[in-house]
Amino acid sequence: DADVTQTPRNRITKTGKRIMLECSQTKGHDRMYWYRQDPGLGLRLIYYSFDVKDINKGEISDGYSVSRQAQAKFSLSLESAIPNQTALYFCATSGKTDTQYFGPGTRLTVL
Amino acid sequence: AQSVTQLGSHVSVSEGALVLLRCNYSSSVPPYLFWYVQYPNQGLQLLLKYTTGATLVKGINGFEAEFKKSETSFHLTKPSAHMSDAAEYFCAVEGSGYSTLTFGKGTMLLVSP
Repeated sequence: DADVTQTPRNRITKTGKRIMLECSQTKGHDRMYWYRQDPGLGLRLIYYSFDVKDINKGEISDGYSVSRQAQAKFSLSLESAIPNQTALYFCATSGKTDTQYFGPGTRLTVL
Repeated sequence: AQSVTQLGSHVSVSEGALVLLRCNYSSSVPPYLFWYVQYPNQGLQLLLKYTTGATLVKGINGFEAEFKKSETSFHLTKPSAHMSDAAEYFCAVEGSGYSTLTFGKGTMLLVSP
């Protein structure tokens, strides 16, 4: 089984809809991250969490919110999706060695 | 503050040729440096990383990178490209104490027969 899983893997939605992307990990890591990837822009950090009670904004948090339900679960929400949030979204985790381990990604399309 | 510049959004090589992917960084504190690879329709996978110690770092699949502080560079090399190396490569920097990664925009490696 994969160490970092993301659901759904693909999602098409309409402008204005609320969307939740979920991430689960079995690595026992405290730190979890959400990134978006856009062609030609690389990965940009949306939010990160160093433990269940710690949530921090990243480079591009506007329009997004997160919830750390447990050590193993970190959800990303788009309260009212807009077309420029169409992107590939990645969850990642890390322990104390700085290396981040990535999930397979969620491809989100907002029409 | 920290940033990463990857020179060349696309690099094309022939199978068997040297692979050189360039990465320059900016960091106000001693950096930790990473190279990740992304194969089509997959997440990112760590190739190698530099934290402290030896400046020449060896990674998986025959790749290596050298940390050059004077040049603020961390270029990725492989002596002989394989078709299976075709993927997108990302350089990333973490300033020690910051605990978050800043990624470059990526370089797509194309390998022709």
